[in-house]
Amino acid sequence: AQSVTQPDIHITVSEGASLELRCNYSYGATPYLFWYVQSPGQGLQLLLKYFSGDTLVQGIKGFEAEFKRSQSSFNLRKPSVHWSDAAEYFCAVGNFGNEKLTFGTGTRLTIIP
Amino acid sequence: DTGVSQDPRHKITKRGQNVTFRCDPISEHNRLYWYRQTLGQGPEFLTYFQNEAQLEKSRLLSDRFSAERPKGSFSTLEIQRTEQGDSAMYLCASRFSGRGLLTSSQETQYFGPGTRLLVL
Repeated sequence: AQSVTQPDIHITVSEGASLELRCNYSYGATPYLFWYVQSPGQGLQLLLKYFSGDTLVQGIKGFEAEFKRSQSSFNLRKPSVHWSDAAEYFCAVGNFGNEKLTFGTGTRLTIIP
Repeated sequence: DTGVSQDPRHKITKRGQNVTFRCDPISEHNRLYWYRQTLGQGPEFLTYFQNEAQLEKSRLLSDRFSAERPKGSFSTLEIQRTEQGDSAMYLCASRFSGRGLLTSSQETQYFGPGTRLLVL
């Protein structure tokens, strides 16, 4: 069965500092991988995705993520965070055919001035 | 706005009452998904449709839950005899699926804003 682990429940970063959110997945084949962001009381917005090809993927709002098969990881990065980046971030893996997404428990990001 | 829409956005009900939520997918999307998100957790898959056919149901979907997509467009999720444990955010997503190689956008599930249910 597929699974996702986000080991950091809560991260606090100063505005302007760099950010890395960790994601480890378990899946038997080549996974579909996603990062979504959720603001309080809102739905999920797609930040970026990996299906195949280049293992470094660029997303919206200046985010990027790198797929590392050997480490079963898909960490999210941003070189300089903005106060508006404060939100909950979810990593997800899709099964074959991408019919069922399995999400991690999320990482809550707090930005301090 | 051509995104996924859900109605209502918030619902407060008393235990034992029935509730129904609606999801309108992006117009050309033939696949529609329901997820449930409890406080402090990530979304969990409930069920999905290909047009009007319900193709998979999670074990989380008890007999009190029923989902329909009668004309292959909008979908409804009904919860009968609600329990306090049903309190959650119910999320709907949609995407296009067809024969042949799909673009990455077509492979992506796009989510609506969710319906937050509180059972008292």
